[in-house]
Amino acid sequence: AQSVAQPEDQVNVAEGNPLTVKCTYSVSGNPYLFWYVQYPNRGLQFLLKYITGDNLVKGSYGFEAEFNKSQTSFHLKKPSALVSDSALYFCAVRDIRMDSSYKLIFGSGTRLLVRP
Amino acid sequence: EADIYQTPRYLVIGTGKKITLECSQTMGHDKMYWYQQDPGMELHLIHYSYGVNSTEKGDLSSESTVSRIRTEHFPLTLESARPSHTSQYLCASSSNRQGGTGELFFGEGSRLTVL
Repeated sequence: AQSVAQPEDQVNVAEGNPLTVKCTYSVSGNPYLFWYVQYPNRGLQFLLKYITGDNLVKGSYGFEAEFNKSQTSFHLKKPSALVSDSALYFCAVRDIRMDSSYKLIFGSGTRLLVRP
Repeated sequence: EADIYQTPRYLVIGTGKKITLECSQTMGHDKMYWYQQDPGMELHLIHYSYGVNSTEKGDLSSESTVSRIRTEHFPLTLESARPSHTSQYLCASSSNRQGGTGELFFGEGSRLTVL
């Protein structure tokens, strides 16, 4: 069965400092991995995805994520946080062997709070 | 740029009323989804559709129903709303392109409050 875990309900970081939002996954085959961001009273916005190839994926708004197969992790990172990065972040996985199912499995979400 | 629209954005209604949340996309996607998001943030898939006249129940049981008569339209209906239905409802779609990665495009959400 597919699953994804975001172990932190909230991450606090000072503006200008690097940030990491953690995500681990479990799939039986090779994963497609995604990060989404949600601002208050809005839908989810796509940030980046890992399909294959380079383990470091660059996305929108200066975010990047590193795929680590041995640790089954896909942590979201940014070198220098902005107050405007404060939002909810969701990790999601799709097992590419399950081609009949296009459902993404979402983590429980992590609230990022960047203080000035 | 994703083109998926939800109406209404906000709805406050009384118990027992019938409501329909609209979702339309102009991208020609054949796959569409409804997620319910509780105040604790988690997303729960309640319905999905892989094409016209195809609908399936999601992972979370829901008293709502959906229909897919046209590719671009995936409305969600509650026949008799109750306070327990108070939630944010998010519609999404994904590409039907062969070998597509399955990333979802989301609407802005419909926040339903049942008094």
